Amino acid sequence: NAGVMQNPRHLVRRRGQEARLRCSPMKGHSHVYWYRQLPEEGLKFMVYLQKENIIDESGMPKERFSAEFPKEGPSILRIQQVVRGDSAAYFCASSRDRGNSPLHFGNGTRLTVT
Amino acid sequence: DAKTTQPPSMDCAEGRAANLPCNHSTISGNEYVYWYRQIHSQGPQYIIHGLKNNETNEMASLIITEDRKSSTLILPHATLRDTAVYYCIVRPSPGNTPLVFGKGTRLSVIA
Repeated sequence: NAGVMQNPRHLVRRRGQEARLRCSPMKGHSHVYWYRQLPEEGLKFMVYLQKENIIDESGMPKERFSAEFPKEGPSILRIQQVVRGDSAAYFCASSRDRGNSPLHFGNGTRLTVT
Repeated sequence: DAKTTQPPSMDCAEGRAANLPCNHSTISGNEYVYWYRQIHSQGPQYIIHGLKNNETNEMASLIITEDRKSSTLILPHATLRDTAVYYCIVRPSPGNTPLVFGKGTRLSVIA
């Protein structure tokens, strides 16, 4: 079984541009989570989505960040008008249900804002 | 905030068992204990989880005390590739609560 697939692995954007990060969950998984890891810091939860619904966005910055998980296709984390402080590794995870099934993580997208 | 306490770092000789402790004294009855690890620059890797019984899989064993206030992850024969940051996390089930990562334990396996 393919694991959680994230692309691109590396993304370079200039200040003010938009960044779009994609995440394809494991087969059979309908729950997606996004995390951010700043350089030399821990993993911070951003948002939890189930197909077509945002369940918990308590970790999302109030402006410029949005996420979606459409009925068809991958989950997208979108960052508008990127700033240098957005440079980080963004990890996506998926799970089968909201019970005790573990989350499985992808290998992340490393965003660099120049 | 993380609800667990782990030592910041540990060393282990290659080939020996690595025993990583975790305190979760405020754990609730419906909360599971999960262990993940993150090898440098990779995504977190799921290791094992349990509620109250000891668990074992191909990677590790999880020993949970009877009062559930602490647990130990055991890597039976540590290799250099087990060098990583190990995270102990408690999470209720069922629920919509995401995994909350603390600082973890940085395990260094030494040849």
